[in-house]
Amino acid sequence: TQLLEQSPQFLSIQEGENLTVYCNSSSVFSSLQWYRQEPGEGPVLLVTVVTGGEVKKLKRLTFQFGDARKDSSLHITAAQPGDTGLYLCAGGTWGKLQFGAGTQVVVTP
Amino acid sequence: GAGVSQTPSNKVTEKGKYVELRCDPISGHTALYWYRQSLGQGPEFLIYFQGTGAADDSGLPNDRFFAVRPEGSVSTLKIQRTERGDSAVYLCASSLTEVLNTEAFFGQGTRLTVV
Repeated sequence: TQLLEQSPQFLSIQEGENLTVYCNSSSVFSSLQWYRQEPGEGPVLLVTVVTGGEVKKLKRLTFQFGDARKDSSLHITAAQPGDTGLYLCAGGTWGKLQFGAGTQVVVTP
Repeated sequence: GAGVSQTPSNKVTEKGKYVELRCDPISGHTALYWYRQSLGQGPEFLIYFQGTGAADDSGLPNDRFFAVRPEGSVSTLKIQRTERGDSAVYLCASSLTEVLNTEAFFGQGTRLTVV
């Protein structure tokens, strides 16, 4: 079983600050996905990273896939209250995604 | 609506009872997935369908859990003899195909509480 560990579990910051969350595994993944989940909703896909060393940007969010394809990070610049949510990383095989436990991010005005 | 629809949104049942959870995927999506999310955890894979057939049911915890998708569209997750440990949010997702990296769209989930 491939395990995805996310850190930190919880992060509370002020609006305008930067933050980074991490997703680590001892196994190699062909790709990793990042999702954001809000209370009472299902996860929503933010990005998929496929190539080792790849960096993808989505507005203020920067995603990086480790060179060895075992880890990934999500960096948010100048966080806003709308960035509040549970950030989940996921990887796996056809039809069978394995999720980390997530990082709960709270951005206060 | 155009998204994945799950019903009911909330279900409270007594220990030992039988429950059915329904998922209406996005029209035209051939792949359908069920996940279970416990408090403070990420979603845990249960089963996925490609068309009408269960392509991988390795995540079903035991034989009390069963899922069907008879016409390749709507799916029902069935839980027999419910236990308090079955309490969780059950998420359904669908995608155009099962190919890795095809975006899966999640429903809002059914919150199941077994008392």
